[in-house]
Amino acid sequence: AQTVTQSQPEMSVQEAETVTLSCTYDTSESDYYLFWYKQPPSRQMILVIRQEAYKQQNATENRFSVNFQKAAKSFSLKISDSQLGDAAMYFCAYRKGGSNYKLTFGKGTLLTVNP
Amino acid sequence: EAGVAQSPRYKIIEKRQSVAFWCNPISGHATLYWYQQILGQGPKLLIQFQNNGVVDDSQLPKDRFSAERLKGVDSTLKIQPAKLEDSAVYLCASSPGLVQETQYFGPGTRLLVL
Repeated sequence: AQTVTQSQPEMSVQEAETVTLSCTYDTSESDYYLFWYKQPPSRQMILVIRQEAYKQQNATENRFSVNFQKAAKSFSLKISDSQLGDAAMYFCAYRKGGSNYKLTFGKGTLLTVNP
Repeated sequence: EAGVAQSPRYKIIEKRQSVAFWCNPISGHATLYWYQQILGQGPKLLIQFQNNGVVDDSQLPKDRFSAERLKGVDSTLKIQPAKLEDSAVYLCASSPGLVQETQYFGPGTRLLVL
């Protein structure tokens, strides 16, 4: 079974600084997708960024980027120029390739942004 | 484009009572998911529908939980009877049902069982 591990229950960062959230996963599949979701206190889960396993290039979305190390099964999220609105719970998630497969989530990392 | 709608947002019930949650996915999305998120944990899939058929319900406690998606659009999740350990946020998500789909989540229903 696939598992997703987030080893940092909590992280904090100063506004305008950079922070990296860690995620490792375990799978025997070669075709899969990885995601970072953000869940603010209102609890609406929002997609931050996604990575296809077959792509060697790391995904980037504005201030958010990932470091995808396929051999090490590592998928970290870097947030640059942190803003107060980035404060939330961040979940790493895995999905098997193909259609109609569920997301497997890690336990999350609570990010605090200090002004 | 309207997002995934869920109701109610909050529910408090006594143990052994029954409760039902409703979800309306994004228009045109064929796949609908119900997740359970216990405090301090990531969401866990309870059941997945493709149109009005069940794709995966392997983690649904079928002795007390049931779900349906009649007509392949909105869905209801029911718990009967509720236990204390059912206290959680119940998230509904939908996706277009294509190969590289992203799942879009609703705001969730927070259930407290006393």
